[in-house]
Amino acid sequence: DAGVIQSPRHEVTEMGQEVTLRCKPISGHNSLFWYRQTMMRGLELLIYFNNNVPIDDSGMPEDRFSAKMPNASFSTLKIQPSEPRDSAVYFCASSPSQGLGLDTEAFFGQGTRLTVV
Amino acid sequence: GENVEQHPSTLSVQEGDSAVIKCTYSDSASNYFPWYKQELGKRPQLIIDIRSNVGEKKDQRIAVTLNKTAKHFSLHITETQPEDSAVYFCAARYGGGGADGLTFGKGTHLIIQP
Repeated sequence: DAGVIQSPRHEVTEMGQEVTLRCKPISGHNSLFWYRQTMMRGLELLIYFNNNVPIDDSGMPEDRFSAKMPNASFSTLKIQPSEPRDSAVYFCASSPSQGLGLDTEAFFGQGTRLTVV
Repeated sequence: GENVEQHPSTLSVQEGDSAVIKCTYSDSASNYFPWYKQELGKRPQLIIDIRSNVGEKKDQRIAVTLNKTAKHFSLHITETQPEDSAVYFCAARYGGGGADGLTFGKGTHLIIQP
């Protein structure tokens, strides 16, 4: 298995532009998580899905952020309009946990380094 | 939601010595506590985890302890080596269900001095 695949690896965009980050979870994993990593705030959970359904989006910083998971093999995180303070590394992670107390690790993708200028 | 505090933020030890990183959590319902290692420019990767029905777990040079009463857990690395240099994150899974997201500590930058 290739692991969690994210694209693009790097994105540089101008303030005000729309940015879309993509994630392909590991096949068979039914939980998907989006995290943001910055020096100041560390790893923050933005949103997670279970069986393609958003469970908790309380970590999404503003209405400018939205996430979708149209099927089990694909998710997007969109920022519209983007701002310089959105610059960070965005990680997608997936887990095979079933929501029945079967706690297992989350496998991270390589991340997308976003720079908004 | 869960809140995880991690200390210290930076830890420098001599090669061969032991390193200890400590974390506390707030939600007594949390029952899964993984530790991730992140090398510069790379993704976080799991190195060891512990569940709330276990007090200690060991894997070669690394071990994790959990005190549910005090709501804290620790990572112990013995006989440190240069390749142990990285940022280490503790995490806790709240809610008791496997589908919940992990809440991470702010990380500890471990530096192994030759």
